[in-house]
Amino acid sequence: AQKVTQAQTEISVVEKEDVTLDCVYETRDTTYYLFWYKQPPSGELVFLIRRNSFDEQNEISGRYSWNFQKSTSSFNFTITASQVVDSAVYFCALAGGTSYGKLTFGQGTILTVHP
Amino acid sequence: DVKVTQSSRYLVKRTGEKVFLECVQDMDHENMFWYRQDPGLGLRLIYFSYDVKMKEKGDIPEGYSVSREKKERFSLILESASTNQTSMYLCASSLYYGTAGNTIYFGEGSWLTVV
Repeated sequence: AQKVTQAQTEISVVEKEDVTLDCVYETRDTTYYLFWYKQPPSGELVFLIRRNSFDEQNEISGRYSWNFQKSTSSFNFTITASQVVDSAVYFCALAGGTSYGKLTFGQGTILTVHP
Repeated sequence: DVKVTQSSRYLVKRTGEKVFLECVQDMDHENMFWYRQDPGLGLRLIYFSYDVKMKEKGDIPEGYSVSREKKERFSLILESASTNQTSMYLCASSLYYGTAGNTIYFGEGSWLTVV
């Protein structure tokens, strides 16, 4: 069975603050993929990143960075110098190697960035 | 860009009605999915289709059925809508069956209210 836990239900920050969204996962598969999606108020889920279980290198894309640690089964997401446009619901998701691409999602974290 | 289009953004239906939610993707993807999103529960998989006329139950299939007569179109059917099916429904697609690492692309969602 697969499970993804996003313990932070809601986070509120002021613009320009850094913020980290936590994601912890469980899977018995040795090969798996981790994802982050952003859901703005419009409703559509926007793909942000995919990592496979063999690649523990951290990744940076502009103000976004991701820290993948297999030892703690975590895949955390940091936004540096947050902006109001970052306000959204963020989902972490897992696809195990035997899942045929079906994603298991966390509960989501609502991020509100105040001006 | 991949485009997943859901035919209705907002629907209000009466208890007991038969409801059709339609989804079309334009990238010749093999896989299509229907998820349901509820606050605090994240996204949960209702049904999955990996080819025309092929389908597989997800985590919460009760009360739902699906139809995939053409590769690009995947319909979710509520045979007799109930108030506990009031929710946001998200359609998604991905390229290949059998590959866990495919990125899944989502539509904008359909908000269904059953009264």
